[in-house]
Amino acid sequence: SQQGEEDPQALSIQEGENATMNCSYKTSINNLQWYRQNSGRGLVHLILIRSNEREKHSGRLRVTLDTSKKSSSLLITASRAADTASYFCATTWGAQKLVFGQGTRLTINP
Amino acid sequence: GAGVSQSPRYKVTKRGQDVTLRCDPISSHATLYWYQQALGQGPEFLTYFNYEAQPDKSGLPSDRFSAERPEGSISTLTIQRTEQRDSAMYRCASSLDSVSYEQYFGPGTRLTVT
Repeated sequence: SQQGEEDPQALSIQEGENATMNCSYKTSINNLQWYRQNSGRGLVHLILIRSNEREKHSGRLRVTLDTSKKSSSLLITASRAADTASYFCATTWGAQKLVFGQGTRLTINP
Repeated sequence: GAGVSQSPRYKVTKRGQDVTLRCDPISSHATLYWYQQALGQGPEFLTYFNYEAQPDKSGLPSDRFSAERPEGSISTLTIQRTEQRDSAMYRCASSLDSVSYEQYFGPGTRLTVT
C-alpha cells in the first residue's frame, strides 16, 4: 500500500512559472526523498531531506519538511519544458525500502 | 556498469505462463531492490537483497513471486503462473549499501499478461 498522498494529482503551468507539489505521509520517517519519472524512463533521485531538517535546496529545487504535520513540499522555480514529468515523494523508516506516494503529473506548457 | 539495466524492456505473456525478469545493478552496489508499479501509481516495494542475502521479502504479493541474487550481483524476479493482475511495470534499483538512502533505478520491464 502507498505511504501517502500527493497533491495535486496533476498540475499544468506555463514555462517560467513556479510549481509546488505537496506530499503527506502516515508514519514516522528517517528521511523523505523526491524522485522524478519522465515518460517511458526510470525514476531519478532529485533530493533527500532528513527528518531533523526543515528545508533543503538543490539548484531550482526547494524542499520543505514538517514532521509534525507529516508533510513535505517540493517547489520547482522557473520551470522549463524539460521539467514535464511525474514527481514522487518516498519515505524510509528503519529498513531501506522506499515507500512511495502516488505522484503528481506536472506539465509545463511552452 | 554505468547504470542499472533491466531486461527484457517489454514482455507479453499469456496467463498461466512463468516469466523471469532480470536486473543488472551498478557494479559497485551491494543492495538491490525490486518494485512493482501499476499504471498511474507510485512504485511498491517487493523485496531487496544485500549481496546475496534477502532480508526482506514482505512485499511479494504471493508465493508465485520469487527473487534470487545468487552471486550478489545480477538478480532475477520470477513470476509463476502469471495472472492478468500481475500486469505492471517492474522496476529494479540499487544502492551503494543498505545504509545509503539514494537508490538508482533501472528503466523497468513492462509486463503484460493477456
